Amino acid sequence: DIQMTQSPSSLSASVGDRVTITCRASQSISSYLSWYQQKPGKAPKLLIYTASSLQSGVPSRFSGSGSGTDFTLTISSLQPEDFATYYCQQSYSTPRTFGQGTKVEIK
Amino acid sequence: EVQLVESGGGLVQPGRSLRLSCTASGFIFRDYAMSWFRQAPGKGLEWVGFIRSKAYGGTTDYGASVKGRFTISRDDSKTIAYLQMNSLKTEDTAVYYCTRDYCSGGSCPIPSDYWGQGTLVTVSS
Repeated sequence: DIQMTQSPSSLSASVGDRVTITCRASQSISSYLSWYQQKPGKAPKLLIYTASSLQSGVPSRFSGSGSGTDFTLTISSLQPEDFATYYCQQSYSTPRTFGQGTKVEIK
Repeated sequence: EVQLVESGGGLVQPGRSLRLSCTASGFIFRDYAMSWFRQAPGKGLEWVGFIRSKAYGGTTDYGASVKGRFTISRDDSKTIAYLQMNSLKTEDTAVYYCTRDYCSGGSCPIPSDYWGQGTLVTVSS
């Protein structure tokens, strides 16, 4: 199975901050990396697919980059509605695996 | 509008069975693979398994923790995906989500672009 290591596990940031979350795969996954946002009590929401493609309707302050084993999710200017938990997921092979999540909290 | 609605969750005793349904609307169901995920209370996301579209054989894959106990199927005429869960264990307690996947060939470049609201399964005596 491909292991996904996400960091940090949590972070505190202020509105307007630039936030970066990283995800590392245990082997190359090409660009088959997606990012999801989950708010408490809600289903996850797809933000980014194929490492850098912005899902329709997602604000442009979200961006993704990387390929192979190292990937990054960046929020260019954190907004109040962005406080949530973020997960990366590889869909290169089954079983699909997730990072452990990054909780973004208000500083 | 794409909608996925899970149903069938509830309280069940260990060792018993339960079948979840995912009713889809707003898209051409037969063209998409369908996945199931779960999230135990306070924990992260876990992939349960998925079923490919008939165009790609309608075959299934499962995570190791459910393989041999859970079965995913689909009825394209009713636009429903099912998750049959047998020999349930207390560790299967979770919110279960269904999602749709855009897959092409052997890969799924746009996995889980839409999610249902989830249904809670509690396995307890």
